[in-house]
Amino acid sequence: AAGVIQSPRHLIKEKRETATLKCYPIPRHDTVYWYQQGPGQDPQFLISFYEKMQSDKGSIPDRFSAQQFSDYHSELNMSSLELGDSALYFCASRRTEIYEQYFGPGTRLTVT
Amino acid sequence: GDSVTQMEGPVTLSEEAFLTINCTYTATGYPSLFWYVQYPGEGLQLLLKATKADDKGSNKGFEATYRKETTSFHLEKGSVQVSDSAVYFCALNSGGTSYGKLTFGQGTILTVHP
Repeated sequence: AAGVIQSPRHLIKEKRETATLKCYPIPRHDTVYWYQQGPGQDPQFLISFYEKMQSDKGSIPDRFSAQQFSDYHSELNMSSLELGDSALYFCASRRTEIYEQYFGPGTRLTVT
Repeated sequence: GDSVTQMEGPVTLSEEAFLTINCTYTATGYPSLFWYVQYPGEGLQLLLKATKADDKGSNKGFEATYRKETTSFHLEKGSVQVSDSAVYFCALNSGGTSYGKLTFGQGTILTVHP
């Protein structure tokens, strides 16, 4: 069965650089979520999109932005990177009428 | 706001031992409850879910019952295997205007020895 695809899987950036993370949801899933998981931490909700419109916003820094495109893939743009942005970034997708979210393998971002 | 509290870990067991990982929650309304598992270096996999009070979710020998009166969703398995070693996260989706975002507990590291 098709799963959520995230790219890249690993990314190394320097402080103050920018990064773009991509997420391709499961076909026919209409909602995408982004989560950030720091080392040894639980995942924290950042932002979500339903039918290409932002539907909810969590603890996402102003330096981050995201969007969902017409083909339903989503991108998380991160600027002025800080050391504290080093984390695993997960994308998840869901169909509205079912409860569970399906997670991608994550992008490990390291800021040096 | 919504919150999930898991028992403090890590948990270390011998193979075939009985497992319980406690999870309690605070939420408005009637949340859906989930257990996710994360193997080393991998993403989160849904283990089981329950969407209303007294529902029992089960999968791969793991079970959890949605207890509204005690606001709990404890994970149990009768006989653990080495391959069950992973991090387990309890999570809730409170619905309403939350548009399905998940709130996670802090995770419990399970290590099973042969």
